[in-house]
Amino acid sequence: DIQMTQSPSSLSASVGDRVTITCQASQDITNYLNWYQQKPGKAPKLLIYDASNLKTGVPSRFSGSGYGTDFTFTISSLQPEDIATYYCQQYDNLPPYTFGQGTKLEIK
Amino acid sequence: EVQLVQSGGGLVQPGGSLRLSCGASGFTLSDYWMSWVRQAPGKGLEWVANIKQDGSDKYYVDSVKGRFTISRDNAKNSLYLQMNSLRAEDAAVYYCARGAGDYDYWGQGTLVTVSS
Repeated sequence: DIQMTQSPSSLSASVGDRVTITCQASQDITNYLNWYQQKPGKAPKLLIYDASNLKTGVPSRFSGSGYGTDFTFTISSLQPEDIATYYCQQYDNLPPYTFGQGTKLEIK
Repeated sequence: EVQLVQSGGGLVQPGGSLRLSCGASGFTLSDYWMSWVRQAPGKGLEWVANIKQDGSDKYYVDSVKGRFTISRDNAKNSLYLQMNSLRAEDAAVYYCARGAGDYDYWGQGTLVTVSS
């Protein structure tokens, strides 16, 4: 199975800061990588698919990049409503489609 | 409007069974792979299973193989997860989600508690 290593596990930043989360796959997954946002008590929400494509309706301050094994998720200017836990997920080839461990983002 | 409405969670004893349901509306269920994802209390997301549009292909995470069965009834716009031989480590919020590996719509989640 493909393992996804996400870092950091938690992050504290100020409103307006640029925030970056990384995700590394244990093998080449080309661009089959999603990023989700999950707020407490809610279902996850897809933000980025295929590593860099912004889902319709998602604010443009969110972006993703990467290919192969190394991926990055960025919030260009942190807003209070962005407080959540963020997960990467690979869906290359056959299941299981593993998630990263998550990054809990807090306001400083 | 696309909606996935879940039902069927609850408290079950170790070794017991439970069937989760996920009702789909606002889209044609038969056009999509469907999946189940779970989240143990205070933990991260874990992919559980998925099923092809016509039910001909199904995949499971190793920890549930032989115990859980994913199925669907496209005529009833419904997805199911039959969970047998439940263990303490199966306790989680279970989500249904639209898609094979990228999930653009999710159900509200249903809590499964495994305890004697």
